[in-house]
Amino acid sequence: DQQVKQNSPSLSVQEGRISILNCDYTNSMFDYFLWYKKYPAEGPTFLISISSIKDKNEDGRFTVFLNKSAKHLSLHIVPSQPGDSAVYFCAASGNQFYFGTGTSLTVIP
Amino acid sequence: ETGVTQTPRHLVMGMTNKKSLKCEQHLGHNAMYWYKQSAKKPLELMFVYSLEERVENNSVPSRFSPECPNSSHLFLHLHTLQPEDSALYLCASSQVWGGLSLAGDPTDTQYFGPGTRLTVL
Repeated sequence: DQQVKQNSPSLSVQEGRISILNCDYTNSMFDYFLWYKKYPAEGPTFLISISSIKDKNEDGRFTVFLNKSAKHLSLHIVPSQPGDSAVYFCAASGNQFYFGTGTSLTVIP
Repeated sequence: ETGVTQTPRHLVMGMTNKKSLKCEQHLGHNAMYWYKQSAKKPLELMFVYSLEERVENNSVPSRFSPECPNSSHLFLHLHTLQPEDSALYLCASSQVWGGLSLAGDPTDTQYFGPGTRLTVL
Protein backbone atom coordinates (compact mmCIF):
# COMPACT_ATOMS: atom_id res chain seq x y z
CA ASP A 1 0.00 0.00 0.00
CA GLN A 2 1.39 3.35 -1.01
CA GLN A 3 2.06 5.54 2.00
CA VAL A 4 2.89 8.67 0.03
CA LYS A 5 0.70 9.70 -2.87
CA GLN A 6 0.94 12.35 -5.53
CA ASN A 7 -2.37 12.19 -7.30
CA SER A 8 -1.53 14.60 -10.11
CA PRO A 9 0.90 13.04 -12.57
CA SER A 10 1.35 16.32 -14.42
CA LEU A 11 0.84 20.05 -14.07
CA SER A 12 1.24 22.93 -16.54
CA VAL A 13 1.67 26.51 -15.38
CA GLN A 14 2.36 29.79 -17.14
CA GLU A 15 5.71 31.42 -16.44
CA GLY A 16 5.45 33.91 -13.59
CA ARG A 17 2.41 32.25 -12.03
CA ILE A 18 2.32 30.03 -8.96
CA SER A 19 2.87 26.27 -9.18
CA ILE A 20 1.27 24.19 -6.45
CA LEU A 21 2.24 20.55 -6.15
CA ASN A 22 0.37 18.36 -3.72
CA CYS A 23 1.20 15.28 -1.72
CA ASP A 24 -0.83 13.13 0.69
CA TYR A 25 0.42 10.58 3.17
CA THR A 26 -1.19 7.96 5.33
CA ASN A 27 1.20 7.37 8.24
CA SER A 28 0.86 9.87 11.07
CA MET A 29 4.23 8.72 12.45
CA PHE A 30 6.17 10.36 9.62
CA ASP A 31 8.30 13.08 11.16
CA TYR A 32 10.08 14.68 8.23
CA PHE A 33 9.01 15.51 4.70
CA LEU A 34 11.04 16.42 1.66
CA TRP A 35 10.62 17.51 -1.91
CA TYR A 36 13.01 16.38 -4.61
CA LYS A 37 13.30 17.65 -8.15
CA LYS A 38 14.37 15.41 -11.01
CA TYR A 39 15.47 16.32 -14.50
CA PRO A 40 15.59 13.68 -17.24
CA ALA A 41 18.69 11.47 -17.10
CA GLU A 42 19.63 12.82 -13.67
CA GLY A 43 19.04 11.59 -10.13
CA PRO A 44 16.64 13.43 -7.84
CA THR A 45 18.09 16.50 -6.16
CA PHE A 46 16.99 17.66 -2.75
CA LEU A 47 14.90 20.83 -2.91
CA ILE A 48 13.32 21.65 0.43
CA SER A 49 12.19 19.89 3.58
CA ILE A 50 9.97 20.39 6.59
CA SER A 51 9.92 18.85 10.03
CA SER A 52 6.60 17.63 11.42
CA ILE A 53 6.88 20.20 14.22
CA LYS A 54 6.49 23.01 11.68
CA ASP A 55 3.74 23.92 9.26
CA LYS A 56 5.68 26.06 6.82
CA ASN A 57 9.20 26.29 5.49
CA GLU A 58 10.34 28.82 2.94
CA ASP A 59 13.45 28.95 0.79
CA GLY A 60 13.48 31.63 -1.86
CA ARG A 61 10.79 30.90 -4.43
CA PHE A 62 9.95 27.57 -2.80
CA THR A 63 7.63 27.13 0.16
CA VAL A 64 6.45 23.86 1.64
CA PHE A 65 3.28 23.73 3.71
CA LEU A 66 2.39 20.88 6.04
CA ASN A 67 -1.14 20.17 7.27
CA LYS A 68 -0.75 17.33 9.76
CA SER A 69 -4.43 16.97 10.50
CA ALA A 70 -5.14 16.43 6.81
CA LYS A 71 -1.91 14.48 6.25
CA HIS A 72 -1.19 16.74 3.36
CA LEU A 73 1.75 18.76 2.20
CA SER A 74 2.22 21.05 -0.72
CA LEU A 75 5.05 22.76 -2.54
CA HIS A 76 4.50 26.27 -3.82
CA ILE A 77 6.79 27.75 -6.44
CA VAL A 78 6.35 31.43 -7.11
CA PRO A 79 7.08 32.87 -9.54
CA SER A 80 7.41 29.77 -11.70
CA GLN A 81 10.22 29.75 -14.24
CA PRO A 82 10.79 27.55 -17.31
CA GLY A 83 13.84 26.02 -15.58
CA ASP A 84 11.51 24.67 -12.92
CA SER A 85 10.11 22.21 -15.47
CA ALA A 86 10.96 18.81 -13.99
CA VAL A 87 9.45 15.92 -12.09
CA TYR A 88 8.87 16.67 -8.41
CA PHE A 89 8.86 13.87 -5.85
CA CYS A 90 7.44 14.13 -2.40
CA ALA A 91 9.06 11.96 0.29
CA ALA A 92 8.30 11.17 3.90
CA SER A 93 10.66 9.86 6.51
CA GLY A 94 9.69 7.29 9.06
CA ASN A 95 11.73 4.14 9.60
CA GLN A 96 12.73 4.64 5.99
CA PHE A 97 12.03 7.06 3.20
CA TYR A 98 8.80 6.69 1.25
CA PHE A 99 8.47 8.42 -2.09
CA GLY A 100 5.49 9.43 -4.16
CA THR A 101 5.24 8.66 -7.86
CA GLY A 102 6.11 12.21 -8.88
CA THR A 103 4.38 15.13 -10.59
CA SER A 104 5.74 16.38 -13.87
CA LEU A 105 5.69 20.17 -13.88
CA THR A 106 5.85 22.11 -17.14
CA VAL A 107 6.30 25.86 -16.96
CA ILE A 108 5.22 27.48 -20.19
CA PRO A 109 7.20 30.56 -21.28
CA GLU B 1 34.26 14.74 -8.34
CA THR B 2 31.63 16.04 -5.99
CA GLY B 3 28.37 14.65 -4.67
CA VAL B 4 27.28 11.15 -5.57
CA THR B 5 28.51 9.46 -8.74
CA GLN B 6 27.32 6.27 -10.37
CA THR B 7 28.83 4.12 -13.08
CA PRO B 8 27.93 3.00 -15.60
CA ARG B 9 25.16 5.41 -16.59
CA HIS B 10 23.65 2.89 -18.99
CA LEU B 11 23.88 -0.90 -18.99
CA VAL B 12 22.38 -3.52 -21.25
CA MET B 13 22.79 -7.11 -20.17
CA GLY B 14 21.48 -10.54 -20.95
CA MET B 15 19.75 -12.68 -18.38
CA THR B 16 22.81 -14.88 -17.90
CA ASN B 17 25.32 -12.05 -17.49
CA LYS B 18 26.97 -10.90 -14.29
CA LYS B 19 27.53 -7.17 -13.92
CA SER B 20 28.05 -4.66 -11.14
CA LEU B 21 26.83 -1.14 -10.53
CA LYS B 22 29.12 1.21 -8.68
CA CYS B 23 28.30 4.19 -6.51
CA GLU B 24 30.71 6.59 -4.87
CA GLN B 25 29.89 9.48 -2.56
CA HIS B 26 32.24 12.38 -1.92
CA LEU B 27 30.18 13.97 0.85
CA GLY B 28 31.65 12.27 3.91
CA HIS B 29 28.34 10.56 4.60
CA ASN B 30 27.96 7.39 6.64
CA ALA B 31 24.80 5.93 5.11
CA MET B 32 24.25 4.74 1.54
CA TYR B 33 21.18 3.44 -0.25
CA TRP B 34 20.12 1.59 -3.37
CA TYR B 35 16.75 2.45 -4.93
CA LYS B 36 14.94 1.08 -7.95
CA GLN B 37 12.75 3.36 -10.05
CA SER B 38 10.38 1.70 -12.47
CA ALA B 39 8.07 3.60 -14.78
CA LYS B 40 5.03 5.10 -13.04
CA LYS B 41 5.97 3.58 -9.67
CA PRO B 42 7.40 5.20 -6.55
CA LEU B 43 11.05 4.87 -5.79
CA GLU B 44 11.54 1.48 -4.14
CA LEU B 45 14.14 1.22 -1.42
CA MET B 46 16.27 -1.89 -1.91
CA PHE B 47 19.13 -1.72 0.58
CA VAL B 48 20.51 0.57 3.25
CA TYR B 49 24.03 0.53 4.61
CA SER B 50 24.98 2.48 7.70
CA LEU B 51 28.65 2.59 8.70
CA GLU B 52 29.28 -0.18 6.16
CA GLU B 53 26.75 -2.52 7.73
CA ARG B 54 23.54 -3.50 5.99
CA VAL B 55 20.60 -2.25 8.04
CA GLU B 56 17.74 -2.65 5.59
CA ASN B 57 16.97 -5.26 2.98
CA ASN B 58 13.49 -4.77 1.61
CA SER B 59 12.74 -8.31 0.40
CA VAL B 60 14.97 -7.90 -2.61
CA PRO B 61 15.57 -11.06 -4.70
CA SER B 62 18.96 -12.68 -4.20
CA ARG B 63 19.91 -11.97 -7.81
CA PHE B 64 20.71 -8.49 -6.46
CA SER B 65 23.68 -8.55 -4.11
CA PRO B 66 24.94 -5.35 -2.47
CA GLU B 67 28.43 -4.71 -1.20
CA CYS B 68 29.72 -1.80 0.85
CA PRO B 69 33.50 -2.07 1.26
CA ASN B 70 33.79 1.35 2.93
CA SER B 71 31.58 4.31 3.71
CA SER B 72 32.31 5.98 0.36
CA HIS B 73 31.60 3.08 -1.98
CA LEU B 74 28.58 0.96 -2.66
CA PHE B 75 28.16 -1.76 -5.24
CA LEU B 76 25.17 -3.66 -6.56
CA HIS B 77 26.15 -7.00 -8.07
CA LEU B 78 23.70 -8.32 -10.63
CA HIS B 79 23.34 -11.96 -11.63
CA THR B 80 20.73 -13.81 -13.73
CA LEU B 81 18.39 -10.85 -13.88
CA GLN B 82 14.95 -10.89 -15.45
CA PRO B 83 13.55 -8.46 -18.04
CA GLU B 84 11.25 -7.01 -15.35
CA ASP B 85 14.39 -5.88 -13.50
CA SER B 86 14.93 -3.27 -16.21
CA ALA B 87 14.71 0.08 -14.43
CA LEU B 88 16.66 3.09 -13.25
CA TYR B 89 18.84 2.18 -10.26
CA LEU B 90 19.61 5.10 -8.01
CA CYS B 91 22.22 5.35 -5.31
CA ALA B 92 21.89 7.86 -2.49
CA SER B 93 23.81 8.83 0.61
CA SER B 94 23.01 10.70 3.79
CA GLN B 95 25.00 12.02 6.72
CA VAL B 96 23.58 9.41 9.03
CA TRP B 97 20.78 6.89 8.86
CA GLY B 98 17.71 7.85 10.86
CA GLY B 99 19.64 10.55 12.65
CA LEU B 100 18.50 13.72 14.36
CA SER B 101 20.82 16.68 14.70
CA LEU B 102 21.13 18.73 17.86
CA ALA B 103 19.08 21.43 16.14
CA GLY B 104 16.19 19.02 15.81
CA ASP B 105 16.35 18.73 12.05
CA PRO B 106 16.93 15.23 10.71
CA THR B 107 20.35 14.61 9.24
CA ASP B 108 19.18 11.82 7.00
CA THR B 109 18.36 13.97 3.98
CA GLN B 110 19.43 11.85 1.06
CA TYR B 111 21.48 13.01 -1.89
CA PHE B 112 21.13 11.02 -5.08
CA GLY B 113 23.45 10.02 -7.86
CA PRO B 114 22.40 10.29 -11.50
CA GLY B 115 21.35 6.65 -11.70
CA THR B 116 22.14 3.69 -13.93
CA ARG B 117 19.60 2.91 -16.62
CA LEU B 118 19.55 -0.90 -16.75
CA THR B 119 18.02 -2.89 -19.58
CA VAL B 120 17.80 -6.67 -19.26
CA LEU B 121 17.26 -8.49 -22.52
